Parts: sequence; structure tokens; C-alpha cells
Amino acid sequence: NAGVTQTPKFQVLKTGQSMTLQCAQDMNHNSMYWYRQDPGMGLRLIYYSASEGTTDKGEVPNGYNVSRLNKREFSLRLESAAPSQTSVYFCASSERQSSYNEQFFGPGTRLTVL
Amino acid sequence: RKEVEQDPGPFNVPEGATVAFNCTYSNSASQSFFWYRQDCRKEPKLLMSVYSSGNEDGRFTAQLNRASQYISLLIRDSKLSDSATYLCVVNPLPSSNTGKLIFGQGTTLQVKP
Repeated sequence: NAGVTQTPKFQVLKTGQSMTLQCAQDMNHNSMYWYRQDPGMGLRLIYYSASEGTTDKGEVPNGYNVSRLNKREFSLRLESAAPSQTSVYFCASSERQSSYNEQFFGPGTRLTVL
Repeated sequence: RKEVEQDPGPFNVPEGATVAFNCTYSNSASQSFFWYRQDCRKEPKLLMSVYSSGNEDGRFTAQLNRASQYISLLIRDSKLSDSATYLCVVNPLPSSNTGKLIFGQGTTLQVKP
């Protein structure tokens, strides 16, 4: 099993460009999450999907949209990238939407917006 | 005040030392607590959950103090391979099934030969 995979690993964008970050998991997990990690700050939740067909905002959703394409895949879209969105983005999944379930993380996407 | 606060360190210790990290959380109703480990430029991975009675996994011991709202992680007999950033993680919502977690900024440990 690959676990949680993310593409791309690295990306450089110009201000105003758009892009979609892809995430897939092969563990048959119900819940999936998108985080961003900035220096000196903890991971912050952008959006999450408790189950296929549902999505909800997290702590920092502005400037992002998500799609839960199916049970395996959860994508994050930046419609008009801004330098403030320069960050490392992690996707995670868990078996079900429970505070006691371990979250498994993908390797991350390092995004730079110029 | 941040919901989860950690001393970022770095903590520089020699091999074989015992080191302890503390983490405080602001929401007294929080129900579940974890320590994750993150190696440099890698993804976080669960190290251990923290139970009310305290729990131990080999050289690692986690404790919860609800009265003072802090969590601790003790590492005994430090190894070079323990060098990493340790993230304190809290679910701030009582009896919630949201799965949403709040991460501290992490404490960096560097174990030296």
C-alpha cells in the first residue's frame, strides 16, 4: 500500500495563477484533510471531508476550494495564487471522522508563489 | 493565546540523556491528545496517543494533567535517531466526531553524539 500520495511534490507559481493539488489514499479511509504548514506555526486545517460527498471549512479556508472526487481522492484548488499561500501543504486521511483516530499524512507539496 | 503552545526549542542533548517536553492547551473541554513526530522536511507521523492515566511505549512516556491543562512527553536514553520535531496535538472539541485536530508549532530535539 502506498498510503497517502500527493502530487506534485514541488511547484512554483506566479501571483494570479491557478493550480490543483492532488491527494489520494489507498487505505479505504472515510475522512480526508488538507493542512498547510508555515515556519513557526503548527499545521493549520484548510478544509476537511468527513466522508465522500461532504466537505467543510477548517481554520484557514480563504483562497482555497476542495473537491472530494470519490472515496480515494481529495483535491485542493488555488484559483488565484497569492504570495501568502507559499507554504507546505499536507493531505491526511483517517479511518473515520473521530477524534481518536490516527491521521496518516502524505509527503507534502512545497508551493512557492512569486 | 494559542490553542496549543509548545516551547519551540531547540533542545540540544547528548546521547543517553533524558529530555522532557511540555505542551499547554487552552480549551479545558478537550478530550483527546497526541504526540506526533516530524522529521526534517517530512510528513508528521503519530508517535503516541496520550491517555488520562499516562502511558508508556518503550523509552517514551506521555502524561496528561487536566487540572493544569498540559501534556508532557519524556524521552529516556536519547538516541541520535530521536532528533526530530515533536508536535503536540489536541482535539479541542468535547465528545466530537469531527476528527479536527489542533497542532502545536512543535519542539525541536537535536541529540548529539
